[in-house]
Amino acid sequence: AQSVAQPEDQVNVAEGNPLTVKCTYSVSGNPYLFWYVQYPNRGLQFLLKYITGDNLVKGSYGFEAEFNKSQTSFHLKKPSALVSDSALYFCAVRDGGGYQKVTFGIGTKLQVIP
Amino acid sequence: KAGVTQTPRYLIKTRGQQVTLSCSPISGHRSVSWYQQTPGQGLQFLFEYFSETQRNKGNFPGRFSGRQFSNSRSEMNVSTLELGDSALYLCASSLTQGRGTGELFFGEGSRLTVL
Repeated sequence: AQSVAQPEDQVNVAEGNPLTVKCTYSVSGNPYLFWYVQYPNRGLQFLLKYITGDNLVKGSYGFEAEFNKSQTSFHLKKPSALVSDSALYFCAVRDGGGYQKVTFGIGTKLQVIP
Repeated sequence: KAGVTQTPRYLIKTRGQQVTLSCSPISGHRSVSWYQQTPGQGLQFLFEYFSETQRNKGNFPGRFSGRQFSNSRSEMNVSTLELGDSALYLCASSLTQGRGTGELFFGEGSRLTVL
């Protein structure tokens, strides 16, 4: 079975500071990893994905994520946080080896303080 | 290109009633997945359809069912509603079935309140 853990319910960061939202995963085959963002009363929006290749993946709105196979992690990062980045962030994983559903983490609320 | 459209956006039902939610995927997308989102549980996978066939199913009781039509539009139904079914129901479409690497495109969701 595949699973995703987001160990922090909430992350607070000052505007202009770098931010990190943590994610670890478990999957039996090769992982396909995703980050999504959800604003209040909205659906989820895709930010970025890792399928294969370079461990540092760049995505929308200046976000990037680093894939670490040995630590089974896929942390989301941004060099300089904006107040508008405040939202709920979801990490997701799928086993790339077959017809598998996408499993989401429980979400991390990011609060950027002006 | 229009995004994923879910209707209705909000609805209130009472225990014991049933509800049908609709999802129109992005044009050309043949895969539709449904998720239940609650504050304590995050996103829970309900089912995935591709070309009118259910390919994956989550761990929900038989009261939760779905279907997909030939135009890729999908509906999900919940019968004999319980208070615990109150949630945001999200539909997502993708270009390919689960084997693909493509990301999911989500609708705005249908917020169901059961009284």
